[in-house]
Amino acid sequence: GAVVSQHPSRVICKSGTSVKIECRSLDFQATTMFWYRQFPKQSLMLMATSNEGSKATYEQGVEKDKFLINHASLTLSTLTVTSAHPEDSSFYICSARDGRAGDSEQFFGPGTRLTVL
Amino acid sequence: DQQVKQNSPSLSVQEGRISILNCDYTNSMFDYFLWYKKYPAEGPTFLISISSIKDKNEDGRFTVFLNKSAKHLSLHIVPSQPGDSAVYFCAASEGGSQGNLIFGKGTKLSVKP
Repeated sequence: GAVVSQHPSRVICKSGTSVKIECRSLDFQATTMFWYRQFPKQSLMLMATSNEGSKATYEQGVEKDKFLINHASLTLSTLTVTSAHPEDSSFYICSARDGRAGDSEQFFGPGTRLTVL
Repeated sequence: DQQVKQNSPSLSVQEGRISILNCDYTNSMFDYFLWYKKYPAEGPTFLISISSIKDKNEDGRFTVFLNKSAKHLSLHIVPSQPGDSAVYFCAASEGGSQGNLIFGKGTKLSVKP
């Protein structure tokens, strides 16, 4: 299957700082990228969907000014958690899909563990 | 309100036996269903999917059954192996494989040697 990477895999930051997480599709062009958040023993909750070159579409209840998403190229999307607070601590997972390829599944990255102190 | 439900948070099975993981959904517009396997601190990996026009899809040791009238699907793993121990997520979408995925909470499968 296709490979999606995330960087960093783990980040610890102080409250009030901003953190950027990168998601890259390594061997395919991702026309659409998705950002999920997972709390312990909970399901993956879709935060937003981004198409290359367009503004992200955020799910209800997700603050777009807090979770800035950029999908500037077909292989890279970034999620920036601005002014992070302890309640933002979570496991963030991205996925990517080549929407031009008919029945194309989503390929998931390995996730980023964010801890806000 | 959860649209995709996995009511069993955990399941323990003996190696070589069958593992049956269940998933229920409430949205009758879902037309595509997937199962993902996830290890701790890793992203989900795709296992198997099924379209609503089918009631069964098989891939090696993995079979997914779909009962549309009951809004229920299940994943059968046979024979179960210790390496199958992981959390299994059921997901559903509208609009086929291109739709956004709605995930259940997952079921942790433990396969004992």
